[in-house]
Amino acid sequence: AQSVSQHNHHVILSEAASLELGCNYSYGGTVNLFWYVQYPGQHLQLLLKYFSGDPLVKGIKGFEAEFIKSKFSFNLRKPSVQWSDTAEYFCAVRDYGNNRLAFGKGNQVVVIP
Amino acid sequence: NAGVTQTPKFQVLKTGQSMTLQCAQDMNHNSMYWYRQDPGMGLRLIYYSASEGTTDKGEVPNGYNVSRLNKREFSLRLESAAPSQTSVYFCASSTVGESSDNEQFFGPGTRLTVL
Repeated sequence: AQSVSQHNHHVILSEAASLELGCNYSYGGTVNLFWYVQYPGQHLQLLLKYFSGDPLVKGIKGFEAEFIKSKFSFNLRKPSVQWSDTAEYFCAVRDYGNNRLAFGKGNQVVVIP
Repeated sequence: NAGVTQTPKFQVLKTGQSMTLQCAQDMNHNSMYWYRQDPGMGLRLIYYSASEGTTDKGEVPNGYNVSRLNKREFSLRLESAAPSQTSVYFCASSTVGESSDNEQFFGPGTRLTVL
């Protein structure tokens, strides 16, 4: 089964700093890739997704992610974070032909005003 | 259009009690899922239903049962609750197939405490 690794579970940074969260999955083949965000006390919402085409994907709220097939990675970036980006971020991978998602353990991001 | 709804939002049980968590979606999705979320563990799949009339075990099915009542509803039952089942439970739904619309939509969650 697919497994997903997210490093640096806790990230603390100041407003206007840049954010990059790493995501690696365990094996290749055709995959669909997702980043979800969970704001405090809320449910998961889709931030962005990659299915095919341009490996640089732009999502909501200024987030983007780059799919690098050779590295089995799908890292999330934001050039300048805001206090409102305080949340937990989950990477998820779906193998082609399978409806199930494998989730990483999440990154807890705290942005200090 | 409510999306995915879950009831109840909060529940406290004593060890050994039973309860059913309800989930419904109004997006005409074929597939539905139950996850549990624990600190530092991410989301782990308990059971899923690829389509009406089918259910399959996920990563952590022990202690749970599910029923896909119809296309809209997918319930999760704890027959004899244990403290290890204290968690936040999320229901999700999605279409099937390989289109880029195939993302999972999540409900608001049920916070369950087992004493």
